[in-house]
Amino acid sequence: QVRLQESGPGLLKPSETLSLTCNVSGDSISGYYWNWIRQSPGKGLEWIGNMLHGESSSYNPSLKSRVTISVDRTKNHVSLTLTSVTAADTAIYYCAGAQGKWRPLDYWGQGTLVTVSS
Amino acid sequence: QSGLTQPPSVSGAPGQTVTISCSGTSSNIGAGYAVHWYQQLPGAAPKLLISDNNNRPSGIPDRFSISKSGASASLAITGLQAEDEADYYCQCHDNRLSGSRVFGGGTKVTVL
Repeated sequence: QVRLQESGPGLLKPSETLSLTCNVSGDSISGYYWNWIRQSPGKGLEWIGNMLHGESSSYNPSLKSRVTISVDRTKNHVSLTLTSVTAADTAIYYCAGAQGKWRPLDYWGQGTLVTVSS
Repeated sequence: QSGLTQPPSVSGAPGQTVTISCSGTSSNIGAGYAVHWYQQLPGAAPKLLISDNNNRPSGIPDRFSISKSGASASLAITGLQAEDEADYYCQCHDNRLSGSRVFGGGTKVTVL
């Protein structure tokens, strides 16, 4: 059973860079499309992007200029970087895995709350 | 930005059937992309509830079923139970967004 655990700083100031890590256990990180999704307080889900180890990444056009997703097979983790954060980036950030680009998101982490405030 | 439209809320008494609609466009559901549904219980992370072709992960009862027609899809919950009270999200891909995943706005199901 694949298990995902997100981690990262809970509080950032505007204009700083958000860096999150998703630790993957229970299976090899290769062969899955790793996605990041976020949920603003009291709001719905927003897809940020995904990556398959060894291939290029895909990003939500609305965030593409600020987002980077990477996969580290040696550490079995997935990373998310979001630059120039604002209060609008305050959200719970989830890591999720799919067994194909078009397949459903089978595995979800418990999420990590990131607050952007001065 | 293209997306999927869901009703904000639906409600029903225990034992009843409720249906949640997910309206898309010709660039997502209407383009033939699979539609998946997720359940988010209060205070928890979302989880896959049912995927295209009515594939349910282990442990998900067959009270949950989906259908699709044209640019719309729907999730039906039959024999509604108190434990079904949650937020439900549909998800598809959109070729106007370079194949990005898109989510519906979510529907709160209340068991009366």
